[in-house]
Amino acid sequence: GENVEQHPSTLSVQEGDSAVIKCTYSDSASNYFPWYKQELGKRPQLIIDIRSNVGEKKDQRIAVTLNKTAKHFSLHITETQPEDSAVYFCAASRVKGGGADGLTFGKGTHLIIQP
Amino acid sequence: GAVVSQHPSWVICKSGTSVKIECRSLDFQATTMFWYRQFPKQSLMLMATSNEGSKATYEQGVEKDKFLINHASLTLSTLTVTSAHPEDSSFYICSAGPGLYYTDTQYFGPGTRLTVL
Repeated sequence: GENVEQHPSTLSVQEGDSAVIKCTYSDSASNYFPWYKQELGKRPQLIIDIRSNVGEKKDQRIAVTLNKTAKHFSLHITETQPEDSAVYFCAASRVKGGGADGLTFGKGTHLIIQP
Repeated sequence: GAVVSQHPSWVICKSGTSVKIECRSLDFQATTMFWYRQFPKQSLMLMATSNEGSKATYEQGVEKDKFLINHASLTLSTLTVTSAHPEDSSFYICSAGPGLYYTDTQYFGPGTRLTVL
């Protein structure tokens, strides 16, 4: 089955600086890679996703890059703000005609924005 | 759009009892829903895939007789934890994606916190 590794487990950055979280996956059949933000006791919220036919995607301060050859994808947050503090999860799944597999998650990164 | 709800949001039960958790897609239909479990300060682990009109598919290590899944309609899946024990205490979250025949984006319900005494 799929295995997703995520680093670092904790990341502390100064407000206004950039944060980068990295993930690797093992199954070359995976073709969908979402990122979720989860605040304590709440549901994971989708913040950005990328499909395997795209190398990079950006949405305002958030960007994701994908390297299929290396089986590696990263989340980039620029101009960090206090409200960015949360746990971030990367995930991978295989989507095919007629349905999708469930998501395999990384272990999460606790992002701390220092004022 | 793409709203998923769960009920109840939290439940406390005695060891040996059964608990039913509902997951509903409020503004879309979904042939497939997923159930995850999240222990404190850990990641989400896929438990099973719920398929409308057919049997659920369970991940390795998940007891299908303990975690009963019923996908009764295109907007409702239920997870029943049978004969619950303290080690079943966890945060149970469902997800679904819009699209009857193709979906990748998954939206999560608010989760159900189960505490077994």
